Amino acid sequence: DTGVSQDPRHKITKRGQNVTFRCDPISEHNRLYWYRQTLGQGPEFLTYFQNEAQLEKSRLLSDRFSAERPKGSFSTLEIQRTEQGDSAMYLCASRPTKGLPLYNEQFFGPGTRLTVL
Amino acid sequence: GQQVMQIPQYQHVQEGEDFTTYCNSSTTLSNIQWYKQRPGGHPVFLIQLVKSGEVKKQKRLTFQFGEAKKNSSLHITATQTTDVGTYFCAGVNNAGNMLTFGGGTRLMVKP
Repeated sequence: DTGVSQDPRHKITKRGQNVTFRCDPISEHNRLYWYRQTLGQGPEFLTYFQNEAQLEKSRLLSDRFSAERPKGSFSTLEIQRTEQGDSAMYLCASRPTKGLPLYNEQFFGPGTRLTVL
Repeated sequence: GQQVMQIPQYQHVQEGEDFTTYCNSSTTLSNIQWYKQRPGGHPVFLIQLVKSGEVKKQKRLTFQFGEAKKNSSLHITATQTTDVGTYFCAGVNNAGNMLTFGGGTRLMVKP
């Protein structure tokens, strides 16, 4: 399978704990995005990377959230001191900025579902 | 900031009936994309519209982009049970690097 992969698929944690999620984009994709999706809503942009550089962060993103993409390949999203309001699906997406595909479509991974008790 | 709204939020149809979802942006868009998310799945790209007034068809799906590039619609003719899912529009900003998703329209089809 050469699509976007995310790990873990599910995470249950207690309030106040730290959690880290991993995303492996499609190998030739230099742009990587993180989104949060709650039930019945569309994906909400969190941040994105061009190679290893983090170029944009949502103003809604709490300072408890941090993301890295150290070698321009996989990325991690860490949430510190989790709160019940952090419960959501965390989606990763990637896309190339050169060549095919023709459109600037984003390819989404299966997501990590976080439940904070 | 940019806001993208979709109506209706839910739509139940009998198999064979038509379906339309509407998308409106608070700002003029560079272009607009549509995604489909099956229950329990992740968003999958359907189409991108770039030009003012553009209309594109994919089999039973027809996508339109408004003249002012602030609204869009997706119309499905003769729905099938395989059309079940949530359809999202996503506005692309002028820099072309970020998507703002609408809230989606969840389509349910009764066989």
